[in-house]
Amino acid sequence: NAGVTQTPKFQVLKTGQSMTLQCAQDMNHNSMYWYRQDPGMGLRLIYYSASEGTTDKGEVPNGYNVSRLNKREFSLRLESAAPSQTSVYFCASSEVMTGPVYFGEGSWLTVV
Amino acid sequence: GQQLNQSPQSMFIQEGEDVSMNCTSSSIFNTWLWYKQDPGEGPVLLIALYKAGELTSNGRLTAQFGITRKDSFLNISASIPSDVGIYFCAGQPGGYNNNDMRFGAGTRLTVKP
Repeated sequence: NAGVTQTPKFQVLKTGQSMTLQCAQDMNHNSMYWYRQDPGMGLRLIYYSASEGTTDKGEVPNGYNVSRLNKREFSLRLESAAPSQTSVYFCASSEVMTGPVYFGEGSWLTVV
Repeated sequence: GQQLNQSPQSMFIQEGEDVSMNCTSSSIFNTWLWYKQDPGEGPVLLIALYKAGELTSNGRLTAQFGITRKDSFLNISASIPSDVGIYFCAGQPGGYNNNDMRFGAGTRLTVKP
């Protein structure tokens, strides 16, 4: 039961480097999301894709870009990483925008 | 956006004890959800509530959607060691859209055998 799979699990970046977090879901869900989790802050939505072919900004989109590659895959890109982007990133999906959200296992990113 | 206040921040309890935690908001929410996160894992949905006053159970877990629509409660009865983790509340203040969902900061639960 794969569900939502994201890679890599851990990554250390230098300030200014770029990287892409990959996410895939095998539940045939229409909607996908990227969240970040910081201590004491709860989860905050970075970007979401309501359906294949669409993407929209969430609560904290600055410094990130996304691509909905197909129905299964939704990637998150950091073009020029900053220490403030050190966080745990979660990809998630739901059947529709009004349905329950299912999370991946998380990607721990450290920017030094 | 609207923030959720979740309390307590942490709890240390003895195995077998009951647990209560809650989430409050200054504004009305249309949906309340409760998630559990184990170390190194993503949050897992425990209970979803869609109607004011609704009381829903999932095994030893019971959650309620407050009648004012500004709060929600999660109770765990007869705690066991595997209940350890962080519990998050989440809510949708506007329409039933996940892009609008807000999360509490979490309650870290420790269960002593």
